[in-house]
Amino acid sequence: KNEVEQSPQNLTAQEGEFITINCSYSVGISALHWLQQHPGGGIVSLFMLSSGKKKHGRLIATINIQEKHSSLHITASHPRDSAVYICAVRSKGGGATNKLIFGTGTLLAVQP
Amino acid sequence: EPEVTQTPSHQVTQMGQEVILRCVPISNHLYFYWYRQILGQKVEFLVSFYNNEISEKSEIFDDQFSVERPDGSNFTLKIRSTKLEDSAMYFCASRTDSYNEQFFGPGTRLTVL
Repeated sequence: KNEVEQSPQNLTAQEGEFITINCSYSVGISALHWLQQHPGGGIVSLFMLSSGKKKHGRLIATINIQEKHSSLHITASHPRDSAVYICAVRSKGGGATNKLIFGTGTLLAVQP
Repeated sequence: EPEVTQTPSHQVTQMGQEVILRCVPISNHLYFYWYRQILGQKVEFLVSFYNNEISEKSEIFDDQFSVERPDGSNFTLKIRSTKLEDSAMYFCASRTDSYNEQFFGPGTRLTVL
């Protein structure tokens, strides 16, 4: 069983729609990351969360530590938002490691 | 804005050859990582490096792999004798201290023929 599960795996939306991507994890964590990966392959960090909610532009990330669940929301989606969105967790007690454990990603396609 | 850089962007090699993937982390960062993503699969942790030594390595990181920080700026991943299944995108990442986010490089696509 994967330690980090994302849903949906694939998502197609029309421009302007509100989008939600979900992430559930089974390990104790010190932080959760939302990352964006474009077709060229590069990974960009969107958010790092340990509690509550963060907002950056049209992107909102929330986390519920008790339920081991996080969501990434995109408001007023645009074709340029099309990418793979990846949830990754930093396990607790990582010491000098603090490695990230990745979900399988959600492939988002926003159609004009 | 400072960024992690990686070279080359694409490396093609023959099976059995040695390859060295290079990374230049952000200058004041202390913790360094290599991750791997096989095409169509999720990103996987390979190794972390701190204070000039490996702090953790995954099962993937066997004796064919090694890492080095030879000169205080570069961080390299060496694969001694490449296999077909080593074909993947390799990402370097770095961070400052225990609680800060990791910054990723653009990746090196390794193709083993």
